[in-house]
Amino acid sequence: DAKTTQPPSMDCAEGRAANLPCNHSTISGNEYVYWYRQIHSQGPQYIIHGLKNNETNEMASLIITEDRKSSTLILPHATLRDTAVYYCIVRESFYTGTASKLTFGTGTRLQVTL
Amino acid sequence: KAGVTQTPRYLIKTRGQQVTLSCSPISGHRSVSWYQQTPGQGLQFLFEYFSETQRNKGNFPGRFSGRQFSNSRSEMNVSTLELGDSALYLCASSPGQGSETQYFGPGTRLLVL
Repeated sequence: DAKTTQPPSMDCAEGRAANLPCNHSTISGNEYVYWYRQIHSQGPQYIIHGLKNNETNEMASLIITEDRKSSTLILPHATLRDTAVYYCIVRESFYTGTASKLTFGTGTRLQVTL
Repeated sequence: KAGVTQTPRYLIKTRGQQVTLSCSPISGHRSVSWYQQTPGQGLQFLFEYFSETQRNKGNFPGRFSGRQFSNSRSEMNVSTLELGDSALYLCASSPGQGSETQYFGPGTRLLVL
């Protein structure tokens, strides 16, 4: 079972920041938080990941709370092309026999509107 | 670098047939994982191959199998197709040395009639 909880859907106006929350209250100290998104019927696209510090790349920012029990993915200026299902995934930070398996939940369907 | 490629992109089969799907990982990546996506069950892990060996396996029946070649390309096979096998089959590659980021291909959409 997925170890994360996300709202099923969110709306965001184009040009505004999209803030997608994720709860992972049972996360352990050696687990990363990963974010992927999937645009309709395409393969999931990697966005960003982090362990405990906030992270930023050209696509998004990831804010992880100090207790690591929740995180927020921020798309700073959402566009219509950001309309997709966003998945938050918890994953072991070092290789074990099961680390290769990504466990996807149901994700958040983000709709960006004009 | 070129991304993960999957062939064919679309496939139609009938019940009872078998099917083979192919995945070419990103150059230099040695791990290939396969996933099945259906509307009812979402994205589910099938198996992972690394250095031509199955390293991890999901909860799927034995009709689902795979293999990996010395150039890291991978194939998955589904025998005795059932209607419920209609799905988007995705493969993802990673370097394979640790818990690195997996990068997904565009998928193969299989329709079983």
